[in-house]
Amino acid sequence: GNSVTQMEGPVTLSEEAFLTINCTYTATGYPSLFWYVQYPGEGLQLLLKATKADDKGSNKGFEATYRKETTSFHLEKGSVQVSDSAVYFCALSTGANSKLTFGKGITLSVRP
Amino acid sequence: NAGVTQTPKFQVLKTGQSMTLQCAQDMNHNSMYWYRQDPGMGLRLIYYSASEGTTDKGEVPNGYNVSRLNKREFSLRLESAAPSQTSVYFCASSARQLDSPLHFGNGTRLTVT
Repeated sequence: GNSVTQMEGPVTLSEEAFLTINCTYTATGYPSLFWYVQYPGEGLQLLLKATKADDKGSNKGFEATYRKETTSFHLEKGSVQVSDSAVYFCALSTGANSKLTFGKGITLSVRP
Repeated sequence: NAGVTQTPKFQVLKTGQSMTLQCAQDMNHNSMYWYRQDPGMGLRLIYYSASEGTTDKGEVPNGYNVSRLNKREFSLRLESAAPSQTSVYFCASSARQLDSPLHFGNGTRLTVT
């Protein structure tokens, strides 16, 4: 079956630090990969996605590259801001129904 | 511009009580979903509806029932609540196309005592 593994959290960084959040996956077929973000008190919202190998998704300064050879989709940002404090979920989809399999999520806190 | 609307936002039930969580979307999406979010578990799919008139079980369907009332509305019912169902419940919708993103509501926080 499908599964997503995220690095353990929480993560605390100072403003302007470099961010990497690791994500690896196991899937049947050729999945599409996603990062969702959840701000306090809100539902999840799509941050970025990649639908095939070597694609790079990007949004709001965040980037992630679909690496088929390492089955990974690590999230990076060069300089985090306090407003990036949130919970980040890696997810995959392998069907037209858009059913997502989520990782456990990781909480990021950014200090001023 | 409401997107996905869930009601209620908060609910406290006693063990054995029943309730229905309501969800409506105004984006003309075909597919709708119910997830639960628990600490350290991420989001797990309870039920989904690929299109109006169809529903299917997800990863954790036991103890729940759903109704796709029409294209806009997808409700989740707990017939006899248990403490293990204490969670945050999210409804989501998407266009029925490959790689369409999910749009989430703001969640219902349910406590069963």
